[in-house]
Amino acid sequence: SAVISQKPSRDICQRGTSLTIQCQVDSQVTMMFWYRQQPGQSLTLIATANQGSEATYESGFVIDKFPISRPNLTFSTLTVSNLSPEDSSIYLCSVEEVTAHNTFGSGTRLTVV
Amino acid sequence: DAKTTQPPSMDCAEGRAANLPCNHSTISGNEYVYWYRQIHSQGPQYIIHGLKNNETNEMASLIITEDRKSSTLILPHATLRDTAVYYCIVRGTGANSKLTFGKGITLSVRP
Repeated sequence: SAVISQKPSRDICQRGTSLTIQCQVDSQVTMMFWYRQQPGQSLTLIATANQGSEATYESGFVIDKFPISRPNLTFSTLTVSNLSPEDSSIYLCSVEEVTAHNTFGSGTRLTVV
Repeated sequence: DAKTTQPPSMDCAEGRAANLPCNHSTISGNEYVYWYRQIHSQGPQYIIHGLKNNETNEMASLIITEDRKSSTLILPHATLRDTAVYYCIVRGTGANSKLTFGKGITLSVRP
């Protein structure tokens, strides 16, 4: 399976600021996904990021709030903008393997104060 | 994607088999059944998936009923490290290949 390095692992941010999360994969992958997991909840897909095209956002998520970059086949970033306490969550990136299952990063735990 | 229904929780004794049920009565013919688990404070981990045949790997077995409307994940010898939230997910292919997580089932393995 692919190995995913996600940074930072955790951060505490002031409201109104932004946090950029990096996801580095040790192999080239076509599809990368960003998820949010709010406290005590399941995972919710934010967007799908394919290299060379704009990310596809799920209902309830917009590019202005969650801009995503996908400059190459091994890297992606998710920015959470204009932070509010409601953005306190774990953010996870995921890649789809050639064996048709997904591998997940260990997540970024964001606390907004 | 078809929705799944899982009980909220179950427990089993260490060393015994854990049988985790999942209902997916609206599954389509080209949709797969996937199982993931999430151990506390970690990212989800892939366990197994199948279309219509039973599957087995080093982690678990997946039993899918003939009508494909339900399945069971079997952990043959549960250990304390298997305590986690287990997600049963029905997933399409191609453009419909997103993983949509439900609430999952919390498995507690007791000593």
